[in-house]
Amino acid sequence: DTAVSQTPKYLVTQMGNDKSIKCEQNLGHDTMYWYKQDSKKFLKIMFSYNNKELIINETVPNRFSPKSPDKAHLNLHINSLELGDSAVYFCASSRFRTSGNEQFFGPGTRLTVL
Amino acid sequence: AQSVAQPEDQVNVAEGNPLTVKCTYSVSGNPYLFWYVQYPNRGLQFLLKYITGDNLVKGSYGFEAEFNKSQTSFHLKKPSALVSDSALYFCAVRAQNTGTASKLTFGTGTRLQVTL
Repeated sequence: DTAVSQTPKYLVTQMGNDKSIKCEQNLGHDTMYWYKQDSKKFLKIMFSYNNKELIINETVPNRFSPKSPDKAHLNLHINSLELGDSAVYFCASSRFRTSGNEQFFGPGTRLTVL
Repeated sequence: AQSVAQPEDQVNVAEGNPLTVKCTYSVSGNPYLFWYVQYPNRGLQFLLKYITGDNLVKGSYGFEAEFNKSQTSFHLKKPSALVSDSALYFCAVRAQNTGTASKLTFGTGTRLQVTL
């Protein structure tokens, strides 16, 4: 049973296109996250939702728009893709109210912008 | 602002020898501390965490970490390394009682290479 799943696993697209990445978790968690891992493996949070409410919104271009239709899903839509958007995007989930809650990560989506 | 430092880009160790991957942190107040491991082309896997209490924390796959408040460190250790432990290791910190979501700050990662 996959705990946190992402689709697609690989995404290759041209500059200027619009694309979406989907994430689903079956852990019953109430908080979900999007992270970006660059080519040097540096991992940085982008967004977080708790019970469908946006609670973390880091300094990310407006071209990136998250959407959480319910607690189990968090999607990421990217408009007008740029070369610098090429990275691996990870979805994660956790229990918000539990102290010291660890996050569970999906397998990642490798985005390549040509 | 909270931060994590992993001073070594890579740690090399022979199989069977003990290993240590270093991590120091900076946070306001008390920390929650975590170690994650990332294998090639995979997501991060949780290894262990420090919340409170005993400074020595035991985790998955025989790993352990020691919380040292005075040195603001949380080094990852294993008594006997395996070739299969070769991976990228991330330390992460979050301040307790932040009143906000679980915003983790990650270190830059340390690549562990275990050789025969």
